[in-house]
Amino acid sequence: KQEVTQIPAALSVPEGENLVLNCSFTDSAIYNLQWFRQDPGKGLTSLLLIQSSQREQTSGRLNASLDKSSGRSTLYIAASQPGDSATYLCAVRRNYGGATNKLIFGTGTLLAVQP
Amino acid sequence: DTEVTQTPKHLVMGMTNKKSLKCEQHMGHRAMYWYKQKAKKPPELMFVYSYEKLSINESVPSRFSPECPNSSLLNLHLHALQPEDSALYLCASSHHRDRGRTGELFFGEGSRLTVL
Repeated sequence: KQEVTQIPAALSVPEGENLVLNCSFTDSAIYNLQWFRQDPGKGLTSLLLIQSSQREQTSGRLNASLDKSSGRSTLYIAASQPGDSATYLCAVRRNYGGATNKLIFGTGTLLAVQP
Repeated sequence: DTEVTQTPKHLVMGMTNKKSLKCEQHMGHRAMYWYKQKAKKPPELMFVYSYEKLSINESVPSRFSPECPNSSLLNLHLHALQPEDSALYLCASSHHRDRGRTGELFFGEGSRLTVL
């Protein structure tokens, strides 16, 4: 059974700092991994998606990496801003089953960027 | 347009009420999903519709009844709910992860449900 864990559970940093969020998964047979952001009481915003054949994806100040063999992904946020404060969730999609098989979500990291 | 629209944003209902949550997307996605999220927890999958047919039901109680009337719309009918069903209900959609597509999920803003 796939289990997805995110460390740390909460993180507080001063504005301008570079930071790394971690995501670990137990079953390396994944199709892709998706990083989301969630503001309090809101829906999920897709940030980056990494296919199993890719090593990293970049969007603006965000860079996500994937190491399938070790079951790890990291989300790197450069030059953090108070507007980055949110909960960050990673989710993996398994590589077997139907074309709509489900995402398994991690436990989330609550990020607070202090001005 | 990468938008999934959910209505209503907030809903308060009694345990004997019947209500519905609605979800709409116009991205041509043929897979649509209902998730339930409790406070400080990750979303949990409830249902998946594939080409307007129910393909996954995660053993959800029958007081939740999904419906997919066409490729753009997804409903969740609610009846005789319990206070513990209070949560944020999220709708999502995606292309199928075939023909080289990634199957990236796009979520709506959610419907905050309170059951009294």
